[in-house]
Amino acid sequence: ELKVEQNPLFLSMQEGKNYTIYCNYSTTSDRLYWYRQDPGKSLESLFVLLSNGAVKQEGRLMASLDTKARLSTLHITAAVHDLSATYFCAVDLLGANNLFFGTGTRLTVIP
Amino acid sequence: KAGVTQTPRYLIKTRGQQVTLSCSPISGHRSVSWYQQTPGQGLQFLFEYFSETQRNKGNFPGRFSGRQFSNSRSEMNVSTLELGDSALYLCASRPIRRGNTEAFFGQGTRLTVV
Repeated sequence: ELKVEQNPLFLSMQEGKNYTIYCNYSTTSDRLYWYRQDPGKSLESLFVLLSNGAVKQEGRLMASLDTKARLSTLHITAAVHDLSATYFCAVDLLGANNLFFGTGTRLTVIP
Repeated sequence: KAGVTQTPRYLIKTRGQQVTLSCSPISGHRSVSWYQQTPGQGLQFLFEYFSETQRNKGNFPGRFSGRQFSNSRSEMNVSTLELGDSALYLCASRPIRRGNTEAFFGQGTRLTVV
């Protein structure tokens, strides 16, 4: 079964600092997704990465994908309090349409 | 464009009862998937429907079932509820077009079993 691991599980960072969340997955896939979830809310799609070397940026967040290493990163630049949330990466198997989610990274940005 | 709509938003049920949750996908999306989210197990895939057919199923007991109607709306049913079924149930729809596989999630139904 496909396994998706995220680290760290918890991340507390000061405003203005940079940090990276890592997502490793165990089998071949070239479709990697990042979602954000606020407490008690649903999942908001952040990035869809569809090929090796894909890099996407939106505001202070940048995501990349290395399919050879089976690794995706979500980089946070100059964090602000509004980025506090839980971030999930997810992968789906080639030919399937069900997502395997990582454990999530709970990010808290401290003023 | 309306998003994915799930009803009801909250439910409280007693052990042994059954429950039906509903999901209306984004217009034009024909794939609907269901996920269970709990603090202990995280987000887990339940099943996926496309054109009224179940295409994939996760590792859940037979008490969990679903269906999809011709208008792509989907329902999931849980029979003989157990305390461990308390969770946030999320529905996602996808357009299933070449190169576009993004899944959009509804607000979820929070089920509490007492």
